[in-house]
Amino acid sequence: ELKVEQNPLFLSMQEGKNYTIYCNYSTTSDRLYWYRQDPGKSLESLFVLLSNGAVKQEGRLMASLDTKARLSTLHITAAVHDLSATYFCAVDGSGTYKYIFGTGTRLKVLA
Amino acid sequence: EAGVAQSPRYKIIEKRQSVAFWCNPISGHATLYWYQQILGQGPKLLIQFQNNGVVDDSQLPKDRFSAERLKGVDSTLKIQPAKLEDSAVYLCASRLFGTSGYEQYFGPGTRLTVT
Repeated sequence: ELKVEQNPLFLSMQEGKNYTIYCNYSTTSDRLYWYRQDPGKSLESLFVLLSNGAVKQEGRLMASLDTKARLSTLHITAAVHDLSATYFCAVDGSGTYKYIFGTGTRLKVLA
Repeated sequence: EAGVAQSPRYKIIEKRQSVAFWCNPISGHATLYWYQQILGQGPKLLIQFQNNGVVDDSQLPKDRFSAERLKGVDSTLKIQPAKLEDSAVYLCASRLFGTSGYEQYFGPGTRLTVT
């Protein structure tokens, strides 16, 4: 059974600091997705990573994928308050298009 | 391009009552998903449709939950009878078929409270 774990579960950080969220998964997959969810809102797609070594950046967020290690990271550079949200990673196992989500990382950026 | 539409946005029912949710995916998206998101958790896949056929419903509690996607477009998810533990947000998502597009697009969700 495919399992997806994120850490940390909660992250409180100061504005201007850098930090990394980790996403580990338990079975072979070349495709990994990152989403953002604001309180009371739906999920917004951030990144789609489709191969080993894939790296994507948007603003202060950068995501990477290491399929050999079954690990993806979401790096936050110089955090700002607007990045406060819950971040989820998701994997679809072996091309099934059945998406399994991680537990989420609740990020709070303090001014 | 219109996004994924869901209704109602909120629903409050008593336990043992029934409820139905509706989803209209993005035009042309052959794959449709229903997820259950309990507060503080990630979305859990309930059922996956490809056109009007079920691809995966292994996590759907079939004794009380049912879903259909007639004509391969709109979909409804029903709970009958509801239990307290069904309180959650029910999210619908859609995507293009196969390798045409990997990204899912989510609707606003329906927040269900069972009292």
